[in-house]
Amino acid sequence: EIVLTQSPGTLSLSPGERATLSCRASQSVSSTYLAWYQQKPGQAPRLLIYGTSSRATGIPDRFSGSGSATDFTLTISRLEPEDFAVYYCQHHGNSRYTFGQGTKLEIK
Amino acid sequence: EVQLVESGGGLVHPGGSLRLSCAASGFTLSSIYMHWVRQLPGKGLVWVSGINNYGSYTMYADSVKGRFTISRDSAKNTLHLQMNSLRAEDTAVYYCARDLVGYGSFDIWGQGTMVTVSS
Repeated sequence: EIVLTQSPGTLSLSPGERATLSCRASQSVSSTYLAWYQQKPGQAPRLLIYGTSSRATGIPDRFSGSGSATDFTLTISRLEPEDFAVYYCQHHGNSRYTFGQGTKLEIK
Repeated sequence: EVQLVESGGGLVHPGGSLRLSCAASGFTLSSIYMHWVRQLPGKGLVWVSGINNYGSYTMYADSVKGRFTISRDSAKNTLHLQMNSLRAEDTAVYYCARDLVGYGSFDIWGQGTMVTVSS
């Protein structure tokens, strides 16, 4: 079973700064099936990135995804106040769907 | 507007049963894979179960296999999750989510329904 490990656990940054979130898979995975979500308190998750690098509908272009094999990255180029939230990576393979444990992006 | 609305959550005793529903609007459930994902209090997201567009293939996390059953009612455009033999560790917010075809990710989520298993 593939395990996704996200780092850091908490990231403290200021609005306007660049955020880089990491997701590492325990074994090589297909980039087609790697996604990122944003979740704010009391809300359902929202799909940001699918297929490693494709932005979901309505997602601003300051969000970008990259990576391959075991290492994937979500980058927020210039943080807006509404971007402070928890972010999860997720993978699908062999009829299993796995989430990372999440990275909390907080205001510094 | 594409929307998912869950219902059926509540308080249940250990060993009890509960049936969650997820009403879809703006699209046809039978055209796409659907899933249930849960979130334990203060914790991360965990996939629970999925069903294919025909309703002929179902998938379950090991932690719920044999206790939970996913199904769909095409006539009512509704997804269900029958939960039996509930345990305290099943306490969570349960979300239904639509599969993004070809990518194994979840593009539409409901607002969630809370299930509490406690004596």
